[in-house]
Amino acid sequence: DQQVKQNSPSLSVQEGRISILNCDYTNSMFDYFLWYKKYPAEGPTFLISISSIKDKNEDGRFTVFLNKSAKHLSLHIVPSQPGDSAVYFCAASAREIQGAQKLVFGQGTRLTINP
Amino acid sequence: DARVTQTPRDKVTEMGQEVTMRCQPILGHNTVFWYRQTMMQGLELLAYFRNRAPLDDSGMPKDRFSAEMPDATLATLKIQPSEPRDSAVYFCASGLVPGSTSQQFFGPGTRLTVL
Repeated sequence: DQQVKQNSPSLSVQEGRISILNCDYTNSMFDYFLWYKKYPAEGPTFLISISSIKDKNEDGRFTVFLNKSAKHLSLHIVPSQPGDSAVYFCAASAREIQGAQKLVFGQGTRLTINP
Repeated sequence: DARVTQTPRDKVTEMGQEVTMRCQPILGHNTVFWYRQTMMQGLELLAYFRNRAPLDDSGMPKDRFSAEMPDATLATLKIQPSEPRDSAVYFCASGLVPGSTSQQFFGPGTRLTVL
């Protein structure tokens, strides 16, 4: 069973507009969420995270929103730039300890920013 | 510039052959993860180690896959015998526990093709 789901395999957005990537989870034990970005032929790199005690975390052009009651999170990128074209993975963990621990990843969403 | 390294970057082999993938975690990191990326499942966790001890290998097909950490600077993932369905990109990631971040740092991956 897929505990973390990204239902949109792909998304195409005009440069300068907002990109919204969505992620749903089923396990109520998850309390920490991360977004990773992946370019072709490279490993995923960390983008932004959010703890379940917050409902929003912002870092420059990237904002993650968490709706615990709906078990839903979203990543907003504004304004979108061509360099944002990549595959974005949502990940979740039940954070029992401080530090790197087991993550459950979604299937990924391929974002394409059109000039 | 600390990075996770993986070798080989690409591997093409024939069904039934043994495949060994290697990973060098970031120096000082004590937790190592192995993932497999497929189109359908996204990033699946195969196994992970902390302080060289296996913590969870439930994601790994036990009959043909094995993972080890001979020392703190080397993690290996072996497939014997390999099958066409094992074709995927295999990622290694490392992190620190306890640590200030839940981030995992990924290597560039090994693209495996089993003919």
